Amino acid sequence: TQLLEQSPQFLSIQEGENLTVYCNSSSVFSSLQWYRQEPGEGPVLLVTVVTGGEVKKLKRLTFQFGDARKDSSLHITAAQPGDTGLYLCAGIQGAQKLVFGQGTRLTINP
Amino acid sequence: GAGVSQSPSNKVTEKGKDVELRCDPISGHTALYWYRQSLGQGLEFLIYFQGNSAPDKSGLPSDRFSAERTGGSVSTLTIQRTQQEDSAVYLCASSLGPRPNTEAFFGQGTRLTVV
Repeated sequence: TQLLEQSPQFLSIQEGENLTVYCNSSSVFSSLQWYRQEPGEGPVLLVTVVTGGEVKKLKRLTFQFGDARKDSSLHITAAQPGDTGLYLCAGIQGAQKLVFGQGTRLTINP
Repeated sequence: GAGVSQSPSNKVTEKGKDVELRCDPISGHTALYWYRQSLGQGLEFLIYFQGNSAPDKSGLPSDRFSAERTGGSVSTLTIQRTQQEDSAVYLCASSLGPRPNTEAFFGQGTRLTVV
């Protein structure tokens, strides 16, 4: 059973389109993080959201933490080929381990 | 550099042999994690060390898997009697601890192939 469910698992769109990736759980998290991973590399942190309802922007990427702190979304505006990669959400419960979702593999076609 | 270092980067082993994977975390990081990743999928949690606390071993898939962390620094993940289904990329990460804002820094992983 996956503690964090990501959807979609695969997404292929054209350059310039917008997209949203979702990360859902039935559990409450102290915080949720989004990481991006490129082939042959380890994941790299993009953002951490801590407060329910929080919205953070990173250039064309917008991250939101659900009011109940059980879910999060990543929205990309005007996607570019450089956005291609594996996007992973991760959560911390209390003072415990960091757990990851199964990832969303995003491909942006020129 | 001062990042997380993993060795070896690639390991090919015969079914039934034991393997040891090493992780050198960032100095001063009290938390250390091992994850397994198959074919570009998500990260499967294996084990978590935090300071001097007993490790959280809840993710280890079988008793063939074990890990230790010596002196609160270097960690070794050992897989005994390897099976083909153990083939994956094993990722190590370290962080300052399980606080909400902490960032996990990952090594580049060890790609294990069991033939």
